[in-house]
Amino acid sequence: KNEVEQSPQNLTAQEGEFITINCSYSVGISALHWLQQHPGGGIVSLFMLSSGKKKHGRLIATINIQEKHSSLHITASHPRDSAVYICAVRRTASGSRLTFGEGTQLTVNP
Amino acid sequence: NAGVTQTPKFQVLKTGQSMTLQCAQDMNHEYMSWYRQDPGMGLRLIHYSVGAGITDQGEVPNGYNVSRSTTEDFPLRLLSAAPSQTSVYFCASSSDRTGPYEQYFGPGTRLTVT
Repeated sequence: KNEVEQSPQNLTAQEGEFITINCSYSVGISALHWLQQHPGGGIVSLFMLSSGKKKHGRLIATINIQEKHSSLHITASHPRDSAVYICAVRRTASGSRLTFGEGTQLTVNP
Repeated sequence: NAGVTQTPKFQVLKTGQSMTLQCAQDMNHEYMSWYRQDPGMGLRLIHYSVGAGITDQGEVPNGYNVSRSTTEDFPLRLLSAAPSQTSVYFCASSSDRTGPYEQYFGPGTRLTVT
């Protein structure tokens, strides 16, 4: 079993829908990252969380440390949100090293 | 700032050839890492560095060497390329000085070994 599991693996939505991507992990962590990989391949950091909730524009990320679970929400989805969304955790005492989930391929249709 | 740069963007090698993937960052980050990305798998750590002169192995280090002679540069060497090393390679940097460990990724190098 992977230490970081994402669901769903693939997600297709219609423009305007509310989207949720889930991440569960099985190790102790000091932080959790959400990353976005564009169709061209570039990877950008969206959020870094150690507790609670963060919001940036239409994106919201939450984490429940006790349940070892995080969610990434996209409100009012748009075709430009189509990308792979990757969850990664920084294990306790691992310094800057990350362990990654396999990613969720999101396609938003107009 | 250019951020994290990688060269080349694409490379085709024959089995047994060697090459170096270049990575540089201009943000004075102390941490740098190399990852490979394969279909159906998450990014996996090859090697990482916590500062100039200090490197260590990640999950999948076999067949790769690294060195870190300066803060800016972190080249990845393939000693004798094998088809199993066909992958997309990403370099990343981070710092706990400017904000704890936010990762900055390079654009990636797509390597094919025939």
